[in-house]
Amino acid sequence: GESVGLHLPTLSVQEGDNSIINCAYSNSASDYFIWYKQESGKGPQFIIDIRSNMDKRQGQRVTVLLNKTVKHLSLQIAATQPGDSAVYFCAERGHGDYKLSFGAGTTVTVRA
Amino acid sequence: NAGVTQTPKFRILKIGQSMTLQCTQDMNHNYMYWYRQDPGMGLKLIYYSVGAGITDKGEVPNGYNVSRSTTEDFPLRLELAAPSQTSVYFCATAGTGVTGELFFGEGSRLTVL
Repeated sequence: GESVGLHLPTLSVQEGDNSIINCAYSNSASDYFIWYKQESGKGPQFIIDIRSNMDKRQGQRVTVLLNKTVKHLSLQIAATQPGDSAVYFCAERGHGDYKLSFGAGTTVTVRA
Repeated sequence: NAGVTQTPKFRILKIGQSMTLQCTQDMNHNYMYWYRQDPGMGLKLIYYSVGAGITDKGEVPNGYNVSRSTTEDFPLRLELAAPSQTSVYFCATAGTGVTGELFFGEGSRLTVL
């Protein structure tokens, strides 16, 4: 079965509000986590990553939080914009591994 | 730089036919991957390569074959196409296997009827 999964398949958010997308993982050996964004008809694009020795990392309008105790990963998007409408995937990589395992994805829809 | 280029973008196959999905990269990346994405699902790894001449199976390799004769090219071969292989296929590359950033192509949508 999949080692990475997301809590909710869809999320509707008002433009300007903050979005929180959640992800649970089961592989305690995973040491690297990544969030990808996939717009309709395109390939996934890297958003932000975090190593297992960190619990928070910030980028431009995005923050990733990692809670290793409960094996939970989240992506926060500040001031959500229409261009943030997409499917968001979390992915994880085991220590020393060359492969990424992806969760099923959360579809984010931004309401004007 | 074109990045990662996949061809064809769309293809319809009949059951039992064979075809090759092409993937070419100009990023000089050693690591290349083939994923498939079924509707509403995440990406499943089919095959990957850590360098020219080296390939390895991923999560769902059955029904597929790959080769990596050059750094640039990583074709995916479907033999005896089946309806279960209807999917969108993504090729991706990475400069190193340590960091998580994969660079994806635009995808190839395959329908098997």
